[in-house]
Amino acid sequence: EAQVTQNPRYLITVTGKKLTVTCSQNMNHEYMSWYRQDPGLGLRQIYYSMNVEVTDKGDVPEGYKVSRKEKRNFPLILESPSPNQTSLYFCASSPIDRVTNEKLFFGSGTQLSVL
Amino acid sequence: GEDVEQSLFLSVREGDSSVINCTYTDSSSTYLYWYKQEPGAGLQLLTYIFSNMDMKQDQRLTVLLNKKDKHLSLRIADTQTGDSAIYFCAPRSGGYQKVTFGTGTKLQVIP
Repeated sequence: EAQVTQNPRYLITVTGKKLTVTCSQNMNHEYMSWYRQDPGLGLRQIYYSMNVEVTDKGDVPEGYKVSRKEKRNFPLILESPSPNQTSLYFCASSPIDRVTNEKLFFGSGTQLSVL
Repeated sequence: GEDVEQSLFLSVREGDSSVINCTYTDSSSTYLYWYKQEPGAGLQLLTYIFSNMDMKQDQRLTVLLNKKDKHLSLRIADTQTGDSAIYFCAPRSGGYQKVTFGTGTKLQVIP
């Protein structure tokens, strides 16, 4: 089944304790992206990747890191989490085709609480 | 960057029509998407319209685009309880990284 898999689904941590949220897709998509969803603010893009070893900042990259060593995986790293990073996080992927309209495929989300 | 605005809540009775509105600022938007988020789930593409169209109909869904006013709407006919979700307007301008999501409209359907 074609899917984007995020882990964990829920995570509670404390300020300053490094954590990684994993994202994996099995559709051989070039494009992957991380978003955070906050009430009243919608989805805001954190980082995106157009292909292996190619990453770039989105609208709210501060406090986050990403890597794209393999095409299928795009982990989100919080080196020193802070309470303002408490949020619902989504990973998404898509093929890149500049001619046709390609939709984003989303994971089920990771609810992160930083105490 | 692009600003995309939606009202936060909409409540309708089952069987009525729902209209969710969206305004955006980037006139170069090419595709304009509507994504649906059901409780506890990720977003799924519901429908979309290309910028050279005024209207698109897909079963119970009608999308209207007013490019001059940069206004997009999603009409759901005969709204059902299963339509209860958050709906996101998401214009795309340029590459894939240029999809900007609105604040989302939470649709509540009253039986």
